Amino acid sequence: GEQVEQLPSSLIVQEGASVLINCSYTDSASVYFPWYKQEPGKRLQFIIDIRSNMERKQNQRLTLLFDKKTKHLSLHITATQPGDSAIYFCSASSSNTDKVVFGTGTRLQVSP
Amino acid sequence: GPKVLQIPSHQIIDMGQMVTLNCDPVSNHLYFYWYKQILGQQMEFLVNFYNGKVMEKSKLFKDQFSVERPDGSYFTLKIQPTALEDSAVYFCASSLRAGQNTLYFGAGTRLSVL
Repeated sequence: GEQVEQLPSSLIVQEGASVLINCSYTDSASVYFPWYKQEPGKRLQFIIDIRSNMERKQNQRLTLLFDKKTKHLSLHITATQPGDSAIYFCSASSSNTDKVVFGTGTRLQVSP
Repeated sequence: GPKVLQIPSHQIIDMGQMVTLNCDPVSNHLYFYWYKQILGQQMEFLVNFYNGKVMEKSKLFKDQFSVERPDGSYFTLKIQPTALEDSAVYFCASSLRAGQNTLYFGAGTRLSVL
């Protein structure tokens, strides 16, 4: 079945820095890739998504890049703020299943 | 945005007892999911449910687990009997359509099996 890996598993940066979170998946049938953010002790919240017919999507300080050939995604967050501190999850779902598989998560800590 | 409610937020029970975790999904959503979060990070898929039926389940969805949504009320996850390794945070999620849609998550139920 689909496996989704994320690197790094954790990141500590100073406020204002940019960060890059990498995600790779194994199932070439995966077509939809939403990302979620989980602040400490809270629910997961959707932040950005991309479909397999796109290469790039931007939402304010978030830019998501997708490479279908290498089965790789990367989330770029610019001008980080302490409020960005959370666990970030990449996820994947395919055209032939209703299952949504989550990545291993990246814990981001932004210091003031 | 739309909210998924989970009740209770924390449940402590003795090993071997039965527990039911309740989820009130977004009102017009049709697909429902349970995930188990282990060690505060890894989100493991357990099961998804549509039109009164389990669509898919993972190896973590043991025989002691069951789900149902009787008459459009709560979407429940029942564990009977519980084991120590069932201790985790369980998240319910719902979506309007099948897997290729955004999931809306509840705040989770922390289950502690003693």
